[in-house]
Amino acid sequence: AQSVSQHNHHVILSEAASLELGCNYSYGGTVNLFWYVQYPGQHLQLLLKYFSGDPLVKGIKGFEAEFIKSKFSFNLRKPSVQWSDTAEYFCAVNASGYSTLTFGKGTMLLVSP
Amino acid sequence: DAGITQSPRHKVTETGTPVTLRCHQTENHRYMYWYRQDPGHGLRLIHYSYGVKDTDKGEVSDGYSVSRSKTEDFLLTLESATSSQTSVYFCAISESQSSYEQYFGPGTRLTVT
Repeated sequence: AQSVSQHNHHVILSEAASLELGCNYSYGGTVNLFWYVQYPGQHLQLLLKYFSGDPLVKGIKGFEAEFIKSKFSFNLRKPSVQWSDTAEYFCAVNASGYSTLTFGKGTMLLVSP
Repeated sequence: DAGITQSPRHKVTETGTPVTLRCHQTENHRYMYWYRQDPGHGLRLIHYSYGVKDTDKGEVSDGYSVSRSKTEDFLLTLESATSSQTSVYFCAISESQSSYEQYFGPGTRLTVT
């Protein structure tokens, strides 16, 4: 079975600080990887996704993530966060050929102005 | 935003009563999912559907049933609500399995007293 681990449950940063959120998954086969964001009171929205090809993927709002297969990791990064990035971030994995996503428990990011 | 609506958006019910939540989509997507979101647990899959009348269990299916009689509607039923089912319920849709992203509805906040 797939599982996803997000290392940090809560992260507090000041505006302009750099962000890196960790995500590790356990599945030995081919995977598709996603980062979703949930702003306060809203539903989940896709930030970025990785299916194949360049392991460095760029998403919306200046976010990027790097897939490192040898480490089973898909960490999310942003060079300079803004107050509006305050949200909960979820990593998710899909085993290729399967219909379902497995989500991590989420990381709550608070950016102070 | 993808055309997904959920009803009701908020509901308070008593322990032991049946509850049905509705998810309606206008995208004609084949796959539909029900998740529950709880603090510290992220999103957990309850049931999903891969076509009309085709459903399967997810990670936390006990106490829940689903039905899909039309492409656009996916119903989640709590046969006899319990306090442990107090949660926020999200519906999601996907055009296909595997590499396609899931689009999420606005959520239903259910409180069981």
